[in-house]
Amino acid sequence: AQTVTQSQPEMSVQEAETVTLSCTYDTSESDYYLFWYKQPPSRQMILVIRQEAYKQQNATENRFSVNFQKAAKSFSLKISDSQLGDAAMYFCAYRSTDNTDKLIFGTGTRLQVFP
Amino acid sequence: NAGVTQTPKFRVLKTGQSMTLLCAQDMNHEYMYWYRQDPGMGLRLIHYSVGEGTTAKGEVPDGYNVSRLKKQNFLLGLESAAPSQTSVYFCASIEGVGAKNIQYFGAGTRLSVL
Repeated sequence: AQTVTQSQPEMSVQEAETVTLSCTYDTSESDYYLFWYKQPPSRQMILVIRQEAYKQQNATENRFSVNFQKAAKSFSLKISDSQLGDAAMYFCAYRSTDNTDKLIFGTGTRLQVFP
Repeated sequence: NAGVTQTPKFRVLKTGQSMTLLCAQDMNHEYMYWYRQDPGMGLRLIHYSVGEGTTAKGEVPDGYNVSRLKKQNFLLGLESAAPSQTSVYFCASIEGVGAKNIQYFGAGTRLSVL
């Protein structure tokens, strides 16, 4: 069974600085998808970025980018130029290609942003 | 376009009571999911459905039942609520299998069982 591990329960960053959130996963599959979701205090789950395992190029979305290391089974999220609105819980998630599309989540990292 | 709507948003139950959580999506999605979120544990899959009339167990199905009688609705039932079912429940849906498809989440239901 696949597992997702987020070893940083909490992180903090100053506004305008860069922060990296860590995620590792375990799988025997060769093809899969990885996601980072943001959950602000409103509880709404918001997709931040996704990566397809067969793509070697790291995904980027504006100030958000990932460092995908397939051999190491590592999928970290880098937030550049941090903003107060980035404060939230961040969840790393794995989705296999087994035709169920279900997600397996890590335990989350709470990000605080200080002015 | 409402997306994924969960009803109710909050509920307090007494141990042993029953209730049904409703998830409705207006995107004509095939797949739907129920997750629960507990502190320090992330989201865990309870049950899911890959189409109208089908359901399957997820990671933590005990104490819950589901039904998908209509494509747009996915119901989660608690027959006899227990304090261990105090949690935030999320529904999600996805168009179907495909690399570009993503799951859309509802706003969650906070349930307390006393």
